[in-house]
Amino acid sequence: EDQVTQSPEALRLQEGESSSLNCSYTVSGLRGLFWYRQDPGKGPEFLFTLYSAGEEKEKERLKATLTKKESFLHITAPKPEDSATYLCAPRGNLIFGKGTKLSVKP
Amino acid sequence: SQTIHQWPATLVQPVGSPLSLECTVEGTSNPNLYWYRQAAGRGLQLLFYSVGIGQISSEVPQNLSASRPQDRQFILSSKKLLLSDSGFYLCAWSARVAQPQHFGDGTRLSIL
Repeated sequence: EDQVTQSPEALRLQEGESSSLNCSYTVSGLRGLFWYRQDPGKGPEFLFTLYSAGEEKEKERLKATLTKKESFLHITAPKPEDSATYLCAPRGNLIFGKGTKLSVKP
Repeated sequence: SQTIHQWPATLVQPVGSPLSLECTVEGTSNPNLYWYRQAAGRGLQLLFYSVGIGQISSEVPQNLSASRPQDRQFILSSKKLLLSDSGFYLCAWSARVAQPQHFGDGTRLSIL
């Protein structure tokens, strides 16, 4: 059975304190991965598509990387407005991880 | 550009009452459409998806049903709501299954 696991479930950072979120998966025939950001009371918002192992994508303070078994979302010098839940989803699979809830305190 | 509309934003319904949630997409043709439910601590659960008019795939057995009467319209229904139907319901679209999904703002459904 295809599974996606995100860790940690919650992460509290001080403004400027860099860290990483993890998305690991057991998916047959993985064809890439999506990352989404979800604000409270809203639908997820698409951030990145990673198509193959070794690929990296960046957007402002976020950088996503992909290996054959996991993906990382690195957050460099986060700001309070980066607070949200971050979700990952294998491409073409219609399943999502449960997300990591990130809180950045000023 | 493409937009997705989902309504209502919040809904409070008594147990045993019917349900109809509507979702429409603008700016694209023949989208894939999806209904998800999101419960606290359980993540996004796929309920239904549709690749075309009248084509509905159900992922989870339950008292909910979905219909796609028009190309860009997706409706989630129930004849009799249960307490366990409470949750945050999200509609989404994508150009193809392997493309990223774009979500509406959701409906918060509370069953009393």
